[in-house]
Amino acid sequence: SQKIEQNSEALNIQEGKTATLTCNYTNYSPAYLQWYRQDPGRGPVFLLLIRENEKEKRKERLKVTFDTTLKQSLFHITASQPADSATYLCALGNTPLVFGKGTRLSVIA
Amino acid sequence: NAGVTQTPKFQVLKTGQSMTLQCAQDMNHNSMYWYRQDPGMGLRLIYYSASEGTTDKGEVPNGYNVSRLNKREFSLRLESAAPSQTSVYFCASSGGTRYLNEQFFGPGTRLTVL
Repeated sequence: SQKIEQNSEALNIQEGKTATLTCNYTNYSPAYLQWYRQDPGRGPVFLLLIRENEKEKRKERLKVTFDTTLKQSLFHITASQPADSATYLCALGNTPLVFGKGTRLSVIA
Repeated sequence: NAGVTQTPKFQVLKTGQSMTLQCAQDMNHNSMYWYRQDPGMGLRLIYYSASEGTTDKGEVPNGYNVSRLNKREFSLRLESAAPSQTSVYFCASSGGTRYLNEQFFGPGTRLTVL
């Protein structure tokens, strides 16, 4: 069966460190993958999209990698700040889009 | 630009009551979606509409109906609410190439069915 998994429900890191979140999938062949941020009580907000032929994408302190052989995407936040604390969702570019359950990141000052 | 708007923000229903959740977008997007989000279950797609005049079932359509009223509006109806439909409901839209573009989400409707 098709499955999308984000490595953990919650991740705590110290301010200034790099946070790494994982998204794994099985039995999909997505043409692209997206990452979203969701704050409590709000709808998700789009962050980045990476296509299957792209290895890496960057936006300010964010970096996403996409390995279609491993069926995995890694989402990095460098120099993390308490304001980065939120839930991060990955979404596979299937038809229609399929969301993971999310990882709740807490950046501790 | 208001983006995606949803009404109401909160609603409490009794089992068996019906209601319609409203969603509108002002970005001229072709595609619109309804999701529900439950603790530990993530976002699950209920119905979507790739373009005006078309609707398709998502992962969890049972107990729901939708109407794509025009390009701007996509409503979700619960005909006979059940406690299992207690959830937070999000509407989203996307434009351009189908499913490639980012989805824009509304603020959500928190529904409780007693």
